[in-house]
Amino acid sequence: EPEVTQTPSHQVTQMGQEVILRCVPISNHLYFYWYRQILGQKVEFLVSFYNNEISEKSEIFDDQFSVERPDGSNFTLKIRSTKLEDSAMYFCASSEARASGTDTQYFGPGTRLTVL
Amino acid sequence: GQQLNQSPQSMFIQEGEDVSMNCTSSSIFNTWLWYKQDPGEGPVLLIALYKAGELTSNGRLTAQFGITRKDSFLNISASIPSDVGIYFCAARAREYGNKLVFGAGTILRVKS
Repeated sequence: EPEVTQTPSHQVTQMGQEVILRCVPISNHLYFYWYRQILGQKVEFLVSFYNNEISEKSEIFDDQFSVERPDGSNFTLKIRSTKLEDSAMYFCASSEARASGTDTQYFGPGTRLTVL
Repeated sequence: GQQLNQSPQSMFIQEGEDVSMNCTSSSIFNTWLWYKQDPGEGPVLLIALYKAGELTSNGRLTAQFGITRKDSFLNISASIPSDVGIYFCAARAREYGNKLVFGAGTILRVKS
């Protein structure tokens, strides 16, 4: 069964450093997303990406964040200068983008980001 | 903003018992989804609901999309130890794009 994959599974970084989190969405999906989950809290939407551009973003997704689809398979989230409060699980998701609106988002296993 | 109120926050039940959890909101949604999350892993889709009033089953799981489009419930019948985990409701409103709004989760523990 096709699935969303993410690397690395765990990333430890120093405050102020840049990190890039990688995702390979399900191959026939057209919509890609990043969510984050701070330990013990709910999953929060960060950004969605469609047709090579950001389609929507939350207030969390400030200028420190960027997303890219550098090739036909990868989807990345970059945090330019990490802060302590960026420590969280980051989940990538993808969906088919059906015109009927019945598409479902499938999540990857997540990357645990720890900022020291 | 859109918020989902999920209850109960946690449950500790005996193996074999039925479980019920729900999500409510003051906002209207077009899609309701239920996910299960095991520790250190990503949410796994259990059931997707796309129409108001829709009742859908997946094995021992049953979920309904509330007729007002502001709520949904998930029932698990005859719980087993592997049902342990965190269950999240999530919802999408078409006018707000494709993003999912999540509930705070229900932690399920099962005594065998």
